[in-house]
Parts: sequence; C-alpha cells; structure tokens
Amino acid sequence: GAGVSQTPSNKVTEKGKYVELRCDPISGHTALYWYRQSLGQGPEFLIYFQGTGAADDSGLPNDRFFAVRPEGSVSTLKIQRTERGDSAVYLCASSLFGGSGNEQFFGPGTRLTVL
Amino acid sequence: SQQGEEDPQALSIQEGENATMNCSYKTSINNLQWYRQNSGRGLVHLILIRSNEREKHSGRLRVTLDTSKKSSSLLITASRAADTASYFCATDGWGYGNKLVFGAGTILRVKS
Repeated sequence: GAGVSQTPSNKVTEKGKYVELRCDPISGHTALYWYRQSLGQGPEFLIYFQGTGAADDSGLPNDRFFAVRPEGSVSTLKIQRTERGDSAVYLCASSLFGGSGNEQFFGPGTRLTVL
Repeated sequence: SQQGEEDPQALSIQEGENATMNCSYKTSINNLQWYRQNSGRGLVHLILIRSNEREKHSGRLRVTLDTSKKSSSLLITASRAADTASYFCATDGWGYGNKLVFGAGTILRVKS
C-alpha cells in the first residue's frame, strides 16, 4: 500500500523567498508530524497535527514557519522569507492515532536548499 | 533539541559480525524506539520498547532498556551489507507529549 509521500523531493530557493512543502500521509492516519533534519543530526520535531488542528507546534523555530492541515489529511509546511539556515531535509510522518507508542511512518523527505 | 547521544558515532564491521549501538537520554520516557535510515528508503521503524520492559527481540535485533541509567542498546546479530545505514534512537513520553525526540545517530558500515 501507499506510504507517506512528500513533494517536492528537492527544492532549491533563494534567500528571502517563500516555499511550500507538501505531505500526503497514509490514508486514515489521524496524526501527522513534521520534523527537520540537518546534516549529521537526528530529526528534530517541528509540529504535530491531530486531525485538522495543530496539537503541538512547540518545535517551530520562529514565526516564519507555519503549517496547515485543513481537511485532516494532506499537510503543507510553509516557510516565509527563507534563510540559509533553513536548509535541511524536512520529514513528514503519520500514525494511525496520536499518542505515545504509536508507530510513526516517515516519508522520504524534502531536501530544501536555500542559496 | 536532541534528547541524548548515540555511541559510537560511527561503526565499521565485517559481514557476519555483531553490531552494538548505545543510546542515552535525559528525561523520563514512555517508550524508546529505534529507527534505521538509508538514502534509499528514508527512516524506517525497527522496534519499540516500553519503559516497563527490559529487553525485546525482533529477528536479528535485540534491544535492551535500562531506565535507571537512562540508556538503551541495539544489537544487530550476524550483520549483512544491507544493514549499512544510520541508526537512531527516539524517545517519547512524559514532558514532551506525542513527538519523538531523536538522538544524533550511529553510522553503521558493514563490509562484505
């Protein structure tokens, strides 16, 4: 069956531009997570959706970052006024339910490069 | 922020040997999970161990958890070249809700 998909797989942009990254979770999964992974590091949590609402956005680094999940399925991570430090692989994961101990299934990621 | 550290940072072994990776964490947890990441398949869940468990097996994988020392180990027995990847531990639970908090990972290279 289909796993988590993310588009685009690669995105190159210039400093100051706006970007949108898309995540299609596994059908029926109620929980959706965004993580960011810098080179040589483990993924770092950004935001968690339960259904349509952001249940925990404590990992968003600043107000240039925003994410939505309007229909409780597809999610879009939006980054305004991109900076070189935003360059990383952005990972999306989904799980059947939210909550501790539920296996999270990860997508292949979007590699963002800000020049 | 990273939850803790994996040890070693990199490990190189011959095919057929066992590989042991360690993970330490800082806060109380509900569960600890191990993930594998390679360029072909992204992050793949390997095994979950709950805070009230001490050891768990899955195929060639053996995970231990010592909550008194806030540490875990992952043992891969009879390694194969296909095991070459980065391995991460991730914790969830008290104080940080549903999100996973990952370590920095161990890069494992299995030489054939």
